[in-house]
Amino acid sequence: GQNIDQPTEMTATEGAIVQINCTYQTSGFNGLFWYQQHAGEAPTFLSYNVLDGLEEKGRFSSFLSRSKGYSYLLLKELQMKDSASYLCAVRGTGKLIFGQGTTLQVKP
Amino acid sequence: KAGVTQTPRYLIKTRGQQVTLSCSPISGHRSVSWYQQTPGQGLQFLFEYFSETQRNKGNFPGRFSGRQFSNSRSEMNVSTLELGDSALYLCASSLLPESYEQYFGPGTRLTVT
Repeated sequence: GQNIDQPTEMTATEGAIVQINCTYQTSGFNGLFWYQQHAGEAPTFLSYNVLDGLEEKGRFSSFLSRSKGYSYLLLKELQMKDSASYLCAVRGTGKLIFGQGTTLQVKP
Repeated sequence: KAGVTQTPRYLIKTRGQQVTLSCSPISGHRSVSWYQQTPGQGLQFLFEYFSETQRNKGNFPGRFSGRQFSNSRSEMNVSTLELGDSALYLCASSLLPESYEQYFGPGTRLTVT
């Protein structure tokens, strides 16, 4: 079957670093995506990994290990505005499959 | 450049009715995907259209259908509405189906009573 797992909720402190993990089992693999979704808003694209390794984009980095079916999103220098839901998604054979999302709460 | 637009933004319907939702992709984008988002199930893929052809379909009953027009605008239709169809319906557009960056619209909030 196809399955994407990520923690439901996480809490972190402003200025800190947080890592959100995602494990997946899918039919075929054509890339892993991370999206950010603020409450009441549409998801916005954060990152894309198709090869193993780390992709860095400002305060956000995403890592992929295809052999382990594992990815993480690393958020540095947390800001209050980073409080949101973070969605891990895998493009299998054609369609994009989303995890349930991790709600991150950043506290002062 | 204008983003993805969806109409209507909010909709209230009664069980048994049908509904049509519309999505206009970013200018130049030819691929449109539809998703259903609910608190219990998260974001679930409905279908993907490219060049007026359905390329992929998720695991939803036949009551859910869609189409794409020659100008890349897309519509989805849900017939014989059920209470469980209450959800946020999101449309996303990309240049091509293989494009890694999808841009989501604001969604249509459908409430079935």
